[in-house]
Amino acid sequence: GAVVSQHPSRVICKSGTSVKIECRSLDFQATTMFWYRQFPKQSLMLMATSNEGSKATYEQGVEKDKFLINHASLTLSTLTVTSAHPEDSSFYICSARDLSGGGPYNEQFFGPGTRLTVL
Amino acid sequence: KQEVTQIPAALSVPEGENLVLNCSFTDSAIYNLQWFRQDPGKGLTSLLLIQSSQREQTSGRLNASLDKSSGRSTLYIAASQPGDSATYLCAVLQNMKTSYDKVIFGPGTSLSVIP
Repeated sequence: GAVVSQHPSRVICKSGTSVKIECRSLDFQATTMFWYRQFPKQSLMLMATSNEGSKATYEQGVEKDKFLINHASLTLSTLTVTSAHPEDSSFYICSARDLSGGGPYNEQFFGPGTRLTVL
Repeated sequence: KQEVTQIPAALSVPEGENLVLNCSFTDSAIYNLQWFRQDPGKGLTSLLLIQSSQREQTSGRLNASLDKSSGRSTLYIAASQPGDSATYLCAVLQNMKTSYDKVIFGPGTSLSVIP
């Protein structure tokens, strides 16, 4: 299957700082990438849908000014957690849709996740 | 609004047993359903993907079925091993009709296989 990478895999930061997480599709192009958040012992919750060259679409309850998403190319989307606080500590996972198959049936490929800890 | 549920929430079985994990979804307007495995503190490993037109998929000791009309899927694991211990998530790719298609996850089943 197609490969999606995330960087960094772990990050620890102080409260009030901003953290950028990168999501890359390594061997395919993705017009659409998705960002999820997972709190301990909970399932993945979709935060936003990132589209190359346009603004991201945020889910209800997700602050777009706090979670900045940039999808500047067909292989890279970034999530920036601005002014991070301890309650933002979570596991962030991205996924990307492979265009090669065409249509809405494409499988989404998931990155390995980024563990964010805000002190 | 699509809701995905999984039963049981947790399961503990002795090694060698066959087991079934259940997933239900409320809206049948899906493109596919996917089963994932997640080890503690790790990302997702895709196990099986079933397109909406398919009934089942098999990979090794795993077999997943899909009954779209009733909103159900099962993951069958044969001859369970301690290495199968993990959380199993099912997810549907939802046809949103008026916005971007979304993957919606169930809460997961935590499986423990005892040696």
